[in-house]
Amino acid sequence: GQQVMQIPQYQHVQEGEDFTTYCNSSTTLSNIQWYKQRPGGHPVFLIQLVKSGEVKKQKRLTFQFGEAKKNSSLHITATQTTDVGTYFCAPAISNFGNEKLTFGTGTRLTIIP
Amino acid sequence: NAGVTQTPKFQVLKTGQSMTLQCAQDMNHNSMYWYRQDPGMGLRLIYYSASEGTTDKGEVPNGYKVSRLNKREFSLRLESAAPSQTSVYFCASSGRNEQYFGPGTRLTVT
Repeated sequence: GQQVMQIPQYQHVQEGEDFTTYCNSSTTLSNIQWYKQRPGGHPVFLIQLVKSGEVKKQKRLTFQFGEAKKNSSLHITATQTTDVGTYFCAPAISNFGNEKLTFGTGTRLTIIP
Repeated sequence: NAGVTQTPKFQVLKTGQSMTLQCAQDMNHNSMYWYRQDPGMGLRLIYYSASEGTTDKGEVPNGYKVSRLNKREFSLRLESAAPSQTSVYFCASSGRNEQYFGPGTRLTVT
């Protein structure tokens, strides 16, 4: 089956530092979604990437989809305490309505004020 | 517009007891899902339903049954709970792309 590895598992940064999490798949992906889960909360959708080499930005967050569509990354510039949480990548298995996602193990980000 | 709701929020069961987790969505979504989340394991798909009247197994279906009662509701049943089923359970629904998650049910089986 599809294997999704997300690294690092944990990341502690000083407030204001940058943060990056990487998602690697053993197979070519049709598309990939990213979610954020605050401590004690539920996953919340951030973005979907579809095209090879695609780059999307949301304020301080930059999402990239690899040229071979086997990996993706999320980069946060100048982290803030509101960025605390676990970030999951979720590759979709098919193009047909994203019926099944495979979630990575997540990267837990903690911020040192 | 409540989104996805789940009941109960917390539950403690003894080994062998049964229970049903309820999930409802008011976004008119076709697809609904049940996940479990264990520490360090991310989210694992238990069952999903692409439309009313259909259900399919996910990655970890053993020990669970589901019912897609109507378009709004998708329930998860544990017939004979085991300690290995201690977890946080999330229900989700989706229209075309992103999934919307409920607040979760924290289940402990002793």
